[in-house]
Amino acid sequence: EAQVTQNPRYLITVTGKKLTVTCSQNMNHEYMSWYRQDPGLGLRQIYYSMNVEVTDKGDVPEGYKVSRKEKRNFPLILESPSPNQTSLYFCASSSWAGAYNEQFFGPGTRLTVL
Amino acid sequence: RKEVEQDPGPFNVPEGATVAFNCTYSNSASQSFFWYRQDCRKEPKLLMSVYSSGNEDGRFTAQLNRASQYISLLIRDSKLSDSATYLCVVKGATTDSWGKLQFGAGTQVVVTP
Repeated sequence: EAQVTQNPRYLITVTGKKLTVTCSQNMNHEYMSWYRQDPGLGLRQIYYSMNVEVTDKGDVPEGYKVSRKEKRNFPLILESPSPNQTSLYFCASSSWAGAYNEQFFGPGTRLTVL
Repeated sequence: RKEVEQDPGPFNVPEGATVAFNCTYSNSASQSFFWYRQDCRKEPKLLMSVYSSGNEDGRFTAQLNRASQYISLLIRDSKLSDSATYLCVVKGATTDSWGKLQFGAGTQVVVTP
């Protein structure tokens, strides 16, 4: 089954404790992206990757890191999480085949930073 | 000013009625537009792309108005299952920004029996 998976789905952590949220897709997609969703603000793009070893900042990259060493994986790293990073996070992927390529989203990771 | 703006609603719609709502965008050079649907903070799913000439998919019609910089979504013969939040998405305007996507905050639609 074609899908985007994220782990963990739920995480409660404390300020300053490094964490990684994994994202994996099995559709051989070139493009992957991370978003956070907060009430009233919609989805905001954190980082995206056009292909392996190519990453770029979205609108809200501060406090986050990413890497794209393999095509299928795009982990999101919070080196020192803070309470303002409490949010719902989505990973997405798409084939880079034109202007109207559909993005497929993972199920989301609900993160709480205390 | 936000780059993509939507009326948050909710739009309360009787079953069988028609509902329409818009999304405005600030970058006149934007080329690609989409409507995604999101149920109760689950993952968004593509509803339809919005083409320059407008397009229809069953009960759903999307229009693009470049002069006024907005896209619209019209839902005919509303079903209870259409209750959801509809997200407007605008893609980066230039080849070096195609990876950047801007989402509106969403318009909530509630279809009532």
